[in-house]
Amino acid sequence: KAGVTQTPRYLIKTRGQQVTLSCSPISGHRSVSWYQQTPGQGLQFLFEYFSETQRNKGNFPGRFSGRQFSNSRSEMNVSTLELGDSALYLCASSEASQGAGEQYFGPGTRLTVT
Amino acid sequence: AQSVTQLDSQVPVFEEAPVELRCNYSSSVSVYLFWYVQYPNQGLQLLLKYLSGSTLVKGINGFEAEFNKSQTSFHLRKPSVHISDTAEYFCAVSDKSNYQLIWGAGTKLIIKP
Repeated sequence: KAGVTQTPRYLIKTRGQQVTLSCSPISGHRSVSWYQQTPGQGLQFLFEYFSETQRNKGNFPGRFSGRQFSNSRSEMNVSTLELGDSALYLCASSEASQGAGEQYFGPGTRLTVT
Repeated sequence: AQSVTQLDSQVPVFEEAPVELRCNYSSSVSVYLFWYVQYPNQGLQLLLKYLSGSTLVKGINGFEAEFNKSQTSFHLRKPSVHISDTAEYFCAVSDKSNYQLIWGAGTKLIIKP
């Protein structure tokens, strides 16, 4: 099976712009989780989608949103970008829910906000 | 609320020496436990997991971990490290009530030749 893919791999945006990141899970996986990874804060959970419904949400402002399509592909959107949003954004898919099953991670999207 | 503590942010060790990376979690309720590894410029990969059964869990690349319920710990060990083990290691815990993964801050394993 193909692994989790994320596009784009690298992105440079200007403060105030918005960005959309895409994640394609492993075929058959219905759970998709998103994480933000920064040197200072480590790995932080953004949200999890399962069968097109947001099932868990981390402690991030409303500028961060996501959605999942019927084919389980997921997108994450960040509006009104801030310098502090510069990070590696990781997507992970799972057969079951976020924590009960093994999560398979994509390579991440490196977002730089200038 | 559940929390995970990885006691060391960095662990330097000589090649072929043994290593232990420490992980403690806060709640003693029923949990699932995981160790993930992140190689430079890559996503995370599962090393091993404890769901139930034997408290000694063996994973990939010669790693193993022991679940200690009384000490709420899940330390990762390898008897002899190789330069290719250079990576960041993350401990994660989910409790069986909500299945949300809680992550530790990570431990960078630095292998000295």
